[in-house]
Amino acid sequence: SQTIHQWPATLVQPVGSPLSLECTVEGTSNPNLYWYRQAAGRGLQLLFYSVGIGQISSEVPQNLSASRPQDRQFILSSKKLLLSDSGFYLCAWSWTSGYEQYFGPGTRLTVT
Amino acid sequence: KQEVTQIPAALSVPEGENLVLNCSFTDSAIYNLQWFRQDPGKGLTSLLLIQSSQREQTSGRLNASLDKSSGRSTLYIAASQPGDSATYLCAVGSGANNLFFGTGTRLTVIP
Repeated sequence: SQTIHQWPATLVQPVGSPLSLECTVEGTSNPNLYWYRQAAGRGLQLLFYSVGIGQISSEVPQNLSASRPQDRQFILSSKKLLLSDSGFYLCAWSWTSGYEQYFGPGTRLTVT
Repeated sequence: KQEVTQIPAALSVPEGENLVLNCSFTDSAIYNLQWFRQDPGKGLTSLLLIQSSQREQTSGRLNASLDKSSGRSTLYIAASQPGDSATYLCAVGSGANNLFFGTGTRLTVIP
């Protein structure tokens, strides 16, 4: 069976500090990978997706970047956090494009 | 841009009642529609996926329908239980990789 992991579970960072969130998937090969953000009182928004190693598509211009250094690893980064980056970050995977997406447990980020 | 609306924002029902959650979307050119459940502070659990060529899907006490022409989907929960209490999210697949989410319906089932 497939499992998706995210860490850390919670994170409190000061404004201007760097960020690195990690997501890994087990039990599948060459999945599509996704990063979403859920801001307080707002719906989930797709930030990035990847259909393969080194292939990143950005949906929303922002202060964040994503990388996929290995087949089942997806990293969300920032060089300098803003207060508006606070939120609940969710990673997801799917077998391929247009198919069901499966979500990880999420990372709660608070920027102070 | 696809916009997804879920009504009501919150719903309380006594245990055992059947209930319907509503989802509407603005662009009928969709790949699929997915219903999720989210418990407080947790990730999303996929409940049902309806492909654009389908009209409904069933899983246990859950039944989801899709009417693309009217831009609507419903999630029917039969014989509700306290364990069904959660936020239910509707997500519309517009484009092969982009899910557009509603803001959810927070369901409370009262024992």
